[in-house]
Amino acid sequence: AQKITQTQPGMFVQEKEAVTLDCTYDTSDPSYGLFWYKQPSSGEMIFLIYQGSYDQQNATEGRYSLNFQKARKSANLVISASQLGDSAMYFCAMREKYGNKLVFGAGTILRVKS
Amino acid sequence: NAGVMQNPRHLVRRRGQEARLRCSPMKGHSHVYWYRQLPEEGLKFMVYLQKENIIDESGMPKERFSAEFPKEGPSILRIQQVVRGDSAAYFCASSPSLDRNSPLHFGNGTRLTVT
Repeated sequence: AQKITQTQPGMFVQEKEAVTLDCTYDTSDPSYGLFWYKQPSSGEMIFLIYQGSYDQQNATEGRYSLNFQKARKSANLVISASQLGDSAMYFCAMREKYGNKLVFGAGTILRVKS
Repeated sequence: NAGVMQNPRHLVRRRGQEARLRCSPMKGHSHVYWYRQLPEEGLKFMVYLQKENIIDESGMPKERFSAEFPKEGPSILRIQQVVRGDSAAYFCASSPSLDRNSPLHFGNGTRLTVT
């Protein structure tokens, strides 16, 4: 079974600095997609960024980038120039081969300090 | 293009009552997924449906929970005889295809409180 591990329950970052949120995964499927979602205190799930297992380049989306290291099975999210509005829970997820459901990690709470 | 619509946003039920949660997927999306999120936890998969078919219900509790996605109308997650442990946020997500490289688009969730 596929598994996502987020080892950082909580992180602090100073406003305007960069922060890396860790994510490792386990799968035997050579083809998969990795996703990051943001859940602010209001509760909605916001899709941030995606990385395909065959993508040669690391994904970027504005201030979000993905540090994808396939051999290490890690897909860390990098947020540059942190803003107060980045304070939220962040989930790493992988789309499974069978059934195509998303499997989520436990999440990391990020707090941006002013 | 409206996103995934869930209603109600908040639902309060007494123990033993029934809860019905509704989800209208994004236009053009025929794949619907239900997830449950307990306080301070991640999202746990419950069930995956296509129109009129349950494809994967491996995350559904064996009793009291059911889901449907009829030919016409929204997908419904039904919880019979609710208990306090059912209190959680229930999210619906939709997808236009089975492409594993496509994200799921989530609704804003229904917060169920059982008193």
